Parts: sequence; C-alpha cells; structure tokens
Amino acid sequence: QQQVKQSPQSLIVQKGGISIINCAYENTAFDYFPWYQQFPGKGPALLIAIRPDVSEKKEGRFTISFNKSAKQFSLHIMDSQPGDSATYFCAASENTGGFKTIFGAGTRLFVKA
Amino acid sequence: KAGVTQTPRYLIKTRGQQVTLSCSPISGHRSVSWYQQTPGQGLQFLFEYFSETQRNKGNFPGRFSGRQFSNSRSEMNVSTLELGDSALYLCASSLGGSAYEQYFGPGTRLTVT
Repeated sequence: QQQVKQSPQSLIVQKGGISIINCAYENTAFDYFPWYQQFPGKGPALLIAIRPDVSEKKEGRFTISFNKSAKQFSLHIMDSQPGDSATYFCAASENTGGFKTIFGAGTRLFVKA
Repeated sequence: KAGVTQTPRYLIKTRGQQVTLSCSPISGHRSVSWYQQTPGQGLQFLFEYFSETQRNKGNFPGRFSGRQFSNSRSEMNVSTLELGDSALYLCASSLGGSAYEQYFGPGTRLTVT
C-alpha cells in the first residue's frame, strides 16, 4: 500500500518531442505529489508538485496531470531538450504527524539531439 | 540562500565499523529527512526529524539512527556496517509545518568494504 509504481523504466525521445512518465499509488492518505529530476552525481532537485485537489499543474515546459479517482499522475515534458536527459522520480508524501515520502523507482530519460 | 550541505561527500569504511554523516539544512528549515539511494532499491525513506524529534521512520534496522540539534542540523549514524549499506545517503530539508517541499543535498557516497 506504500508503493509508488513508476513507468517506463527508461525513455528515449527525439529533441522537440513530448516525454511522458506515469506513476500510480495506492495509499489514499498521500496528499502531495512531487516530481524530482536527478543528474549523475547530484541530489534530486524538485521540479514540480501537485496536491490532489488539482487535476493539472503547468510550469514552463513541465506539466503534471493528476487523476485522483484512478490514483494516477503523470509528468509531461513538452519540447524535450538534450539538457532534460536525466533520471526522473515521482513521489508521494503524507503528513501523519510527520512527513513521509515514498519514491517511484525512477525513469531514465534520454533526449536525442 | 545556501542549499543543503552534507559532509563528508565520500566515505570508505570497513564492515563492522560505524559511521556518522552530517547534514546542514537550508536556513530556516526545521524538518530534515534522510534517504538511502541504491541502484537496486532506489530512494528509500529512513527517517524525518522536526524540532529535534523523530516524527517518522522507514523500514530500516535499528543500526540506522539519527538525531537533530537545536540549530536544525542533523546527523545520521550507521553502526556495525554491512556491505549492503553501501549507498548514496541523501538529506532533504523543508520548512516543516504544512510545507512539504523538500530540497535535497548532494549526498554522501558511502562505500563499505
């Protein structure tokens, strides 16, 4: 019930294309859903996040779509660039007197120039 | 504002030894969480501290412990090191309260031989 399932494991997209990464969760106590971007040798960097009362959030080229009834959310990267090549993690957090965040397994994105 | 800092960045230890890792959160942040990142298990939640109190804990053995000081700096300790403890240990800070946004440090790469 604590898992966050992420797919695909890896993704190759042409420059200018749309990258789509999907995640699913079970625990309905989760109330915050962030996406992180991680480059080799670095810690994860917060990219964008959404709360379950919103179905979509857009920041620049990054959009989160959230489907509360299906317990699924996804990250769309529009106009993907080679500099977007990194590992992306979805996550789900709950606050039951203290924060707990569960991460998906990660998606390695490679954007071909 | 300075980001989250972690020391040391790299560490090599022998099985059976113990190790202490340090994390300095972003100024003003009172919540510190620790994660273990490995290729096989991904990012796994260890524990979260807020105002010197551990509020939440992941599924790790008692060999993993932590503490937080009055200035919000945090340390984690691993005793009786095992080969499987080799990982990147990441610290993340957030304001706490209802603010979920977590900002990660660069991590400490621990190698156990």
